[in-house]
Amino acid sequence: SQELEQSPQSLIVQEGKNLTINCTSSKTLYGLYWYKQKYGEGLIFLMMLQKGGEEKSHEKITAKLDEKKQQSSLHITASQPSHAGIYLCGADGGSQGNLIFGKGTKLSVKP
Amino acid sequence: GAGVSQSPSNKVTEKGKDVELRCDPISGHTALYWYRQSLGQGLEFLIYFQGNSAPDKSGLPSDRFSAERTGGSVSTLTIQRTQQEDSAVYLCASSPDLGYGYTFGSGTRLTVV
Repeated sequence: SQELEQSPQSLIVQEGKNLTINCTSSKTLYGLYWYKQKYGEGLIFLMMLQKGGEEKSHEKITAKLDEKKQQSSLHITASQPSHAGIYLCGADGGSQGNLIFGKGTKLSVKP
Repeated sequence: GAGVSQSPSNKVTEKGKDVELRCDPISGHTALYWYRQSLGQGLEFLIYFQGNSAPDKSGLPSDRFSAERTGGSVSTLTIQRTQQEDSAVYLCASSPDLGYGYTFGSGTRLTVV
């Protein structure tokens, strides 16, 4: 079965610093989703990537899917306290239509 | 509604009791999913409804778990004879169709004591 591994598991950065979170799949990715979760809230959809080499940006967050479609990275530029939370990558689980998820990366941003 | 609504937001129950968790998806979304997030674990797929098709129950951990989706809209996840290991946050998501961006509810935090 397909598995997603995220790294790092947790990350503490100073406000204003850049950071990168990685998501590696054990199989080819056909749809990769990035979500953000804050405590007590649901998951917030950030971006979806489908094509190898695809890159999408939203405000200060950029996500890429590598050419081989087995790894994705999420890059935050000039981090803010509002970026703090748990970032989860999810992938299409196949014909069932469900998503599988990595265990998440907990991001803390120190003011 | 504007988003996926789940209720209750928190539930504390005694071991052995039955619980029902409710999910009200975004109007018009044909796909509805239930996930479970245990402490320190990633999201675990439980069950998936798509339109009028038979649900995919492959993720349900035991026969104590069941789910229904009435009228293609509201879904109820039922856990019978709850156990302490059932304690987790149960998340519901809906999507317009297979493969589209999913919208998640805020979850129900279940604590079995």
